[in-house]
This record gives sequence, structure tokens and C-alpha cells, in this order.
Amino acid sequence: TQLLEQSPQFLSIQEGENLTVYCNSSSVFSSLQWYRQEPGEGPVLLVTVVTGGEVKKLKRLTFQFGDARKDSSLHITAAQPGDTGLYLCAGLMDSSYKLIFGSGTRLLVRP
Amino acid sequence: SAVISQKPSRDICQRGTSLTIQCQVDSQVTMMFWYRQQPGQSLTLIATANQGSEATYESGFVIDKFPISRPNLTFSTLTVSNMSPEDSSIYLCSVLGNSYEQYFGPGTRLTVT
Repeated sequence: TQLLEQSPQFLSIQEGENLTVYCNSSSVFSSLQWYRQEPGEGPVLLVTVVTGGEVKKLKRLTFQFGDARKDSSLHITAAQPGDTGLYLCAGLMDSSYKLIFGSGTRLLVRP
Repeated sequence: SAVISQKPSRDICQRGTSLTIQCQVDSQVTMMFWYRQQPGQSLTLIATANQGSEATYESGFVIDKFPISRPNLTFSTLTVSNMSPEDSSIYLCSVLGNSYEQYFGPGTRLTVT
């Protein structure tokens, strides 16, 4: 059983389209991190959200942490082929340094 | 941030043999982690490697199968012992950052035949 469920598992869209990836749990996290991984590389941190209801923007990417700190979303505006990759959310629980990774969303942006 | 390198980047091994994966960091770090990842899938934590103490293994992973060394604050190794085809995977090391984020190496792609 995955503690952090991501949806969709796979997304194939045309360049210029918008998309949202969801990360849901029944557990409360002290913070939530989003990573992107490209083939042949390790995951790279995109953002960390800490406060319930927090919204962070990174160029065309918008990250939101749920009010109850149980869920998060990643919205990409005007997707580009360079956005292609595996997106992973990862939650950090209180009193722990270990990340709990979500099930992953594989994004393909077609030119 | 930290820069992390892994060796080898990939290998093809015969069943029954062992492979040792090296992880080198460009700065001293307290905590290092080893993960396993099936291609296209999420990450599964194998163990946490602390310098000066034995590694802490997650449920489903044992020291006899995945012995880990951590001789200093910039280096760690993971050995995959007595390999079977089920061990074919990508193995990643990571380090803990100041804000509990993690920095990952590029991974080692292992194929067991």
C-alpha cells in the first residue's frame, strides 16, 4: 500500500497544454517536496512546501500544499518538451528525516 | 546543494555474484541513503547509512543481502550480494540537505542475467 498516491500515473500531452498532478495521502506531513527525474539521472528537487495552504511558483510550475497538509498538487502551464520526466512527490513526517515517496507521475510532452 | 557521483553507472552481472556500488559526495554529510528504483517507478528506501555506526535497514531489506559501508563523511558503498534477476534495478544514493531535502546521485543501473 502506497502511503502517498499520485495521479495520474501517466500523462501524455501536446506542447502548450496545461496539466495538474495530484499527490494525496491520509497522513499529515510536516512538509512535502516535489522532485523531477529524467532518464539516466537521479531525482532533482523542485520545491519544498511547508505551510498548509502554501502556494509556490517556479516559472511555469505552481505547487500547492493542502490546508490539512495531507495533499499537494503541481500545475504546469503551457507545458514544453523539456518538462518531460518522472515527477515524484515526497512527504516528510514529524520527527523523521526519511522521505516517503509517492507513486510517481510520468509526463510526456509531445512537440 | 551537494554533488554526488556513483560508480559504476551501469553493469550487467551474472546471478550468484555480488556487485559493490560506490557513492562519493563533494562535501561532508551526516546522513546518506540508498534507494532502489524499478525503471519508471518510484523509489524504495533500502537503508540509511550513518558514519561510525551500522546502517539502518528498512523492512524487507537485510544486511546480509545489502551490506553497506560508511567509512567517512563523504563516501559510502552498497553491495548487492548473491544476485538474482529480481535484483535488476536502478540503485540510487542520496544525502540529506540542511532543510531535510535530499540530493541524489545519477544512479547505477544493474541488470542480472
